[in-house]
Amino acid sequence: QLQLQESGPGLVKPSETLSLTCTVSGASISEGSYHWAWIRQPPGRGLEWIAAVFVAGGALYNSALKSRVAISIDTASNQFSLKVTSVTAADTATYYCARHGPDLDYWGQGTLVAVSS
Amino acid sequence: DIQMTQSPSSVSASIGDSVTITCRASQDIYDWVAWFQQKPGKAPELLVTSASTLQVGVSSRFSGTGFGREFTLTISSLEPEDLATYYCQQAYSFPTLFGQGTKVEI
Repeated sequence: QLQLQESGPGLVKPSETLSLTCTVSGASISEGSYHWAWIRQPPGRGLEWIAAVFVAGGALYNSALKSRVAISIDTASNQFSLKVTSVTAADTATYYCARHGPDLDYWGQGTLVAVSS
Repeated sequence: DIQMTQSPSSVSASIGDSVTITCRASQDIYDWVAWFQQKPGKAPELLVTSASTLQVGVSSRFSGTGFGREFTLTISSLEPEDLATYYCQQAYSFPTLFGQGTKVEI
């Protein structure tokens, strides 16, 4: 059974960089024609797709966040990662990683990241 | 970007009622729509793909319809475990965007 697990700090200071990792277990991240995505959800609000990374290389980003976001994949570790730079309180959210191809069919449980000094 | 306008934002219903949620896309997306259910404190779960294909294990009380720009998710004979927030998502092109969500309450 495929499982995804997010990890990273739960608190980040304003203007700093938020870094999260998603560890995939139960299958190789390189198997199949999938890509891997990050989605976030501010408290009490809806879902926002952030970015997706392709095993073969390349990435796609939400245009609203593109200047501050970087997604990467490490097939040897079966992980993919997200970095968000220059964070503000508006980046406070539960961050989910998910398998994307073409549907978001497997999700991690989510990790809450608060931006606060 | 293709926007998804979802309505209503919330609906109050009774056990046994039928509930219909609508999503309208800003352009033709054929049947590239998925629906998710999210219970409080949990990750979203995929219910429907390709506008009308139920995922394995999803109750037949859920049904999805639509093509082009207008899509609906119907929950027939509402049960207590259906209390959740439901989201549509366009899977036609990147960036993939979600509707605003519909909270189903009693």
